[in-house]
Amino acid sequence: GESVGLHLPTLSVQEGDNSIINCAYSNSASDYFIWYKQESGKGPQFIIDIRSNMDKRQGQRVTVLLNKTVKHLSLQIAATQPGDSAVYFCAERGGSSYKLIFGSGTRLLVRP
Amino acid sequence: DTAVSQTPKYLVTQMGNDKSIKCEQNLGHDTMYWYKQDSKKFLKIMFSYNNKELIINETVPNRFSPKSPDKAHLNLHINSLELGDSAVYFCASSQDIRNEGAFFGQGTRLTVV
Repeated sequence: GESVGLHLPTLSVQEGDNSIINCAYSNSASDYFIWYKQESGKGPQFIIDIRSNMDKRQGQRVTVLLNKTVKHLSLQIAATQPGDSAVYFCAERGGSSYKLIFGSGTRLLVRP
Repeated sequence: DTAVSQTPKYLVTQMGNDKSIKCEQNLGHDTMYWYKQDSKKFLKIMFSYNNKELIINETVPNRFSPKSPDKAHLNLHINSLELGDSAVYFCASSQDIRNEGAFFGQGTRLTVV
């Protein structure tokens, strides 16, 4: 079936460095992608999204890149802070039901 | 103001019991969802309602029955609870069925003993 996966289950970065979290997706018909941040004991929190007709979108300290050729999505976090420590999920939306299919998550650890 | 609120936050119950989780959103959204997150943090859609109408019903045991009395509420009732039902259940809502930028609740950690 369709799935969304991540290359790195845990990413450890130094405070102040940039972080890159990667995600591979398998449904070439997916038209919308989204990144969520989940802190311990909390629900997923929206970070940024992108439609398939774009290849880059920027937010505050975050950038999402979409490469449809290789079906790859990445989240870049600039100047990573301790508060960025969390599990990050990518999700894709494909098909007429509009349901989101989530990846397995990447844990980001920020070293002080 | 909490956008998507679900109660209870924690629920510990014995096998075989019936329990309900409630969810309310004050965002004026048309579409609400229930997700299940297992011990490996994998998030999977269970149900989706748009304006009180069921639109997504994933392969979920019949023991799980959602109910939407109005578009601001989506409750989840679980009959005959099993050990494997232990998980964190998240309610979410989005503006419409296109499911963009959905807001999630804080989750209900269900433990079946």
